[in-house]
Parts: sequence; C-alpha cells; structure tokens
Amino acid sequence: EIVLTQSPGTLSLSPGERATLSCRASQSVSSTSLAWYQQKPGQAPRLLIYGASSRATGIPARFSGSASGTEFTLTVSKLEPEDFAVYYCQQYGSSRRTFGQGTKVEIK
Amino acid sequence: EVQLVESGGRVVRPGGSLRLSCAASGFTFRHHGMSWVRQAPGKGLEWVSGINWNGDNTGYADSVKGRFTMSRDNATNSLYLQMNSLRVEDTALYYCAREMFDHYGMDLWGQGTTVTVSS
Repeated sequence: EIVLTQSPGTLSLSPGERATLSCRASQSVSSTSLAWYQQKPGQAPRLLIYGASSRATGIPARFSGSASGTEFTLTVSKLEPEDFAVYYCQQYGSSRRTFGQGTKVEIK
Repeated sequence: EVQLVESGGRVVRPGGSLRLSCAASGFTFRHHGMSWVRQAPGKGLEWVSGINWNGDNTGYADSVKGRFTMSRDNATNSLYLQMNSLRVEDTALYYCAREMFDHYGMDLWGQGTTVTVSS
C-alpha cells in the first residue's frame, strides 16, 4: 500500500501569505493519479487539484499543484480568509486509493 | 440539482450489520465510478471502497476487506455499502463521492451519514 505523508502537520500563517504544503509518497505515484482536497469544519471535502497540477472547476488560480518524483506540493499564493482549512492529498493506486493525514492551515 | 445524499447511518452494536445508501441525482450516474470515504471523529479522511461505472470492479481498504461490500444500481442511481461484523473503530461519518469521468479525483461529495458502533 502506498503511504502518503503530509507536512507540516499544522501551518500557521497570516492572510496574504504564501502557503506551501507537501505530500510525499512512499513509492512511485503517477502524477495523473494525485489529487488535493480542502475540508472546512462541518463540511464535506472539496476537490482542489487533480492530476497533481490541474485545478478543478471553480477553484481560484491562487491554488496550484506541482510534482517532483515522489514529492507533491500544493501552493496557495496569497491566503484568503476562506482558505484556512485542512488539506489532504490522495493517490490512486491500482484499485485502491489512500489519503495523507492532512495539513491544517490556521490563522497566525 | 447535482447531488449525492447518503442515508442509513445509525447506532449499532459491535458485530452487527448495517447497509448505507447513497442516492445520486442531477447527473448521469452510470458514467462515473464511485467511492465511500469515512472520517472518524476528529480524524482525517480514510478511503473505504470504490466501484467502477458498471459495478464489475470493486476495491477495498485493508481495514474493511472481507467485512464490507460495495454495490450499485444504475437503474435507480443508487450506491450501497453493506457493512458486516462492525467494530468500534468503524465509527465514523461516511461520505459517498463521485469519481471524475476522465481523471483521478472525487469531484462531488455528499454530506455524509453517521455510523456509531457502540455497546
């Protein structure tokens, strides 16, 4: 089973700052099969990024994703108040999927 | 309206069984693979199971394999999760989610149904 390790566990930033979230896979993961989600308290997750770098419908351009080997990155260029949430990466391997443990982006 | 609505969650004793349902509307259900994802109280997301568009291919997390069975009925736009031999650690909010048609990602989620396994 492919394990996704997200870091840091918590990111304390101010609105307007840049957020960089990491997701490292325990073995090779195709870039096409890596997604990122945002979840706010009391809400279902929302798809942000698919294929490691493609924004889902309606996702603002300040969200971007990239990949390098087994390391995947989600970047929020300038944090808006509504961006403070928990973010999860997810991979699709054969017939199984796994999520990372999440990174919480909190207001500093 | 494009939506997924889960139902069937309740309190059940350890060792018991439960069947969750997910009603899809507003889109062509048979075009999409589907997944169940759960979230224990205060914890992260855990993928539970997935099914392809016509139901002939399913996958399960190791934690539920052999106990849970996922199925679908494209005639009624419905998704199911049969949960047997329930354990306390199965307590969670269970979401159904739509897989994108031509990419990897879950682009539509329900609001979830709560399963509590407790004696």
